[in-house]
Amino acid sequence: EAAVTQSPRNKVAVTGGKVTLSCNQTNNHNNMYWYRQDTGHGLRLIHYSYGAGSTEKGDIPDGYKASRPSQENFSLILELATPSQTSVYFCASGVGGGQDTQYFGPGTRLLVL
Amino acid sequence: GQQVQQSPASLVLQEGENAELQCNFSTSLNSMQWFYQRPGGSLVSLFYNPSGTKHSGRLTSTTVIKERRSSLHISSSQTTDSGTYLCALAITGNTGKLIFGLGTTLQVQP
Repeated sequence: EAAVTQSPRNKVAVTGGKVTLSCNQTNNHNNMYWYRQDTGHGLRLIHYSYGAGSTEKGDIPDGYKASRPSQENFSLILELATPSQTSVYFCASGVGGGQDTQYFGPGTRLLVL
Repeated sequence: GQQVQQSPASLVLQEGENAELQCNFSTSLNSMQWFYQRPGGSLVSLFYNPSGTKHSGRLTSTTVIKERRSSLHISSSQTTDSGTYLCALAITGNTGKLIFGLGTTLQVQP
């Protein structure tokens, strides 16, 4: 059974609209991460969290907010979506500290028109 | 510049051939990890390898910290090995953040 799930799996949004991407993990990991993957750039870290109530900026946080209401759930919020945010978004969980691997969700394909 | 560089960018093999994928990094690290990604799919962890050599079936990962490199060896390739192989390093510190390379796209032909 998948330990990291994402919803929706596909999303079409309009420019200026609000988009919320959700992630749920059953690994009981403290750390959770949001990445986007684009051709030529690879995977880049947007936001991450050390636990419920915590959010930290990653390498490319502009235009994104994050929310971690519980150990299991981590959301990525695009308040005003732009076409440049069209991408594939991956959520991951991990114990943290660079001492073990991260476990990835299936990804969400977002198209902003 | 890119902190994690992978080579080659792409590779085409005939089934049964071996492959050597390289990852070089320009900063100190906590660990090196290798992932596999099928086209349009998610990432699957292959190795967590901070140093030394690890084996898993036909796959071998070797990380040499002082030389700032890691390699992934695939022996007796199969068509099902086709996809993208990504290396990622966790930098020193306690954040658990990973820095990814751009990947090596492998195509194994029958």
